[in-house]
Amino acid sequence: GAVVSQHPSRVICKSGTSVKIECRSLDFQATTMFWYRQFPKKSLMLMATSNEGSKATYEQGVEKDKFLINHASLTLSTLTVTSAHPEDSSFYICSASSPGGTYNEQFFGPGTRLTVL
Amino acid sequence: GQNIDQPTEMTATEGAIVQINCTYQTSGFNGLFWYQQHAGEAPTFLSYNVLDGLEEKGRFSSFLSRSKGYSYLLLKELQMKDSASYLCAAMDSNYQLIWGAGTKLIIKP
Repeated sequence: GAVVSQHPSRVICKSGTSVKIECRSLDFQATTMFWYRQFPKKSLMLMATSNEGSKATYEQGVEKDKFLINHASLTLSTLTVTSAHPEDSSFYICSASSPGGTYNEQFFGPGTRLTVL
Repeated sequence: GQNIDQPTEMTATEGAIVQINCTYQTSGFNGLFWYQQHAGEAPTFLSYNVLDGLEEKGRFSSFLSRSKGYSYLLLKELQMKDSASYLCAAMDSNYQLIWGAGTKLIIKP
């Protein structure tokens, strides 16, 4: 099956610093990647959708200047949390999809747990 | 608006059968997904339904009724490792997934 990796799996940082999370599709070309945030005991919340080579589409309420997304290639998307604050602490999950299957399934990365002190 | 409803928590006994229900309201419909998520991990795909009826896959089955906006996930011969959250997600006309809050399934010996 399709494999998506994320790095790092865990990160602890000081308030005010920036953190970059990488999402890679390892064995397929992902034309679309999705970034989600999940708070404890809550559902996945879509933050943004990115298509390779174009600007990401952000969901309402998500600050695009704070959560920078770059989808530079068909196998890599990055999410940078700029000037992180404690309220940004969350589980960030990426997923990737590609056309050509019988349905538009999303393959999830293992997630990145961000803790901002 | 778009909405997904599923129970918050369910408890079942090892070896038994459990059915997790999901109702959805979306702008257009391109299928219903079920995912399993263990604590601290990302979701993993379980099933996809786009036509009415039952799809069986080993111990897990998923049912869809488009006219009722209803789906269920049926888990048979429950094992302790099935303790997890089960997420229902409907795909709308823009091929975007609308997620439920998940049902935490607790399996007791």
